[in-house]
Order: sequence, then C-alpha cells, then structure tokens
Amino acid sequence: EVQLVESGGGLVRPGGSLRLSCSASGFSFSSYSMNWVRQAPGKGLEWVSSTNGGGTSLFHAESVRGRFTISRDNARNSLFLQMDSLRAEDTAVYYCAKEIADGGFDYWGQGTLVTVSS
Amino acid sequence: QSVVTQPPSASGTPGQRVTISCSGSSPNIGRNTVSWYQHLPGRTPKLLISNDSQRPSGVPDRFSGSKSGTSASLAISGLQSEDEADYYCAVWDDSLGSRLFGGGTKLTVL
Repeated sequence: EVQLVESGGGLVRPGGSLRLSCSASGFSFSSYSMNWVRQAPGKGLEWVSSTNGGGTSLFHAESVRGRFTISRDNARNSLFLQMDSLRAEDTAVYYCAKEIADGGFDYWGQGTLVTVSS
Repeated sequence: QSVVTQPPSASGTPGQRVTISCSGSSPNIGRNTVSWYQHLPGRTPKLLISNDSQRPSGVPDRFSGSKSGTSASLAISGLQSEDEADYYCAVWDDSLGSRLFGGGTKLTVL
C-alpha cells in the first residue's frame, strides 16, 4: 500500500525557515517524480515544487523560486522542502504527491500545516 | 488569476450530466496532458483523470475527460450527491517551467 506521510509543519515567524519532510512507502520511491502542492486557507491548490526520480531535475513555482528548495533522499525514501524567507502568504497545508509517467499525481499525503505569523 | 482558467462554480441535479471546462494556451494545454482532481473538504485530493482522458483504476466511468486544442473538459454523468466537491485541472506549462492548477470549480449537487 502506497503511503505518503508529511511532517515538519508548524508556526513560524515571517522571515523564518522550516523544513518539511515526506516519508514514502509501498512503492519504488526512486522511480518516481515527486511534488509538493499547497493549499492556502480558502484558496485552491497551488503546485510548489517537483523533482525527478534521481533528484537531478528540480522545478519550483515562481512564487517560491529562490526561497524554497526541493530535495530527496532515495536511500531513506524521503522527500524534503526547505522553506526559507517565509512570508504570510506561504501559510497553507502542504501536500507531497507522487507523480506518474503521464503527469498525474496518483497518491497524496494527508498534508502538514504551515502557519507564518508574528 | 490563474493562467489556466476554470469556472468558479457549477451545479446540477442528481442524475444529470455536468461539464467543467479548463481553458489554457499553447504552452500548457496546447502541448501537454491534462489531469483532473476531486477535492472533498478535509480530504486528500484524488486523481480522477490523467493523460487528458484516462481514468485510474477505481474511478467510476461516470467521470470522463477530453481535450481539444487549448481547452480541456471534465464530464460527470449520473450526478450523485457525493460528487459535491471542488474540481481542479492541472497541466505543465513549457514557458513557465511550472505545473499549473486551474483555480478550481466548486460543484454543487442541488
């Protein structure tokens, strides 16, 4: 059974940093691209970042480029999102999602809440 | 405002067929495949359609996807009360180097 479990969310002050983790199980982790997607309160889904199976290709949304960095550790079946220079508008539930070959996200974690507030 | 546009709301009565549109442009829908997601409040988003029109196993055949040019559509036939949810399209944009989600469509079953 595929499982994705996020952790690392919490309350952080503007300008602060946070590192999110996503622990994966039930599939060959290194064979799949992985993504972070967020949903701010009362808003829609917003793609944040993606990485290919080997972790050699990284993509970030313009809204987080230069502040967030996606990475992965295939030996530990883990996905990460380093979030620096956090802003109030980064407040959201952050989901990790597994991507299949045709670009669909077939499995999602339960999400972790990040709140940026003073 | 999202580069990929969906109507903010849609509605239908039980048993009816409803269609949700997703409008984009050449760098995104015009060149890449579209996926659709159902998001119920308090739940994890669920993949309904990938590769424009393919249903993952377990998704009822009441859900179907199509694409023409720079627009895509999700159709739900035999509408049921449990279909009341937010629906999102998503597609990669070659110009932005980003995946784009539509703004979402809130479906109400009357």
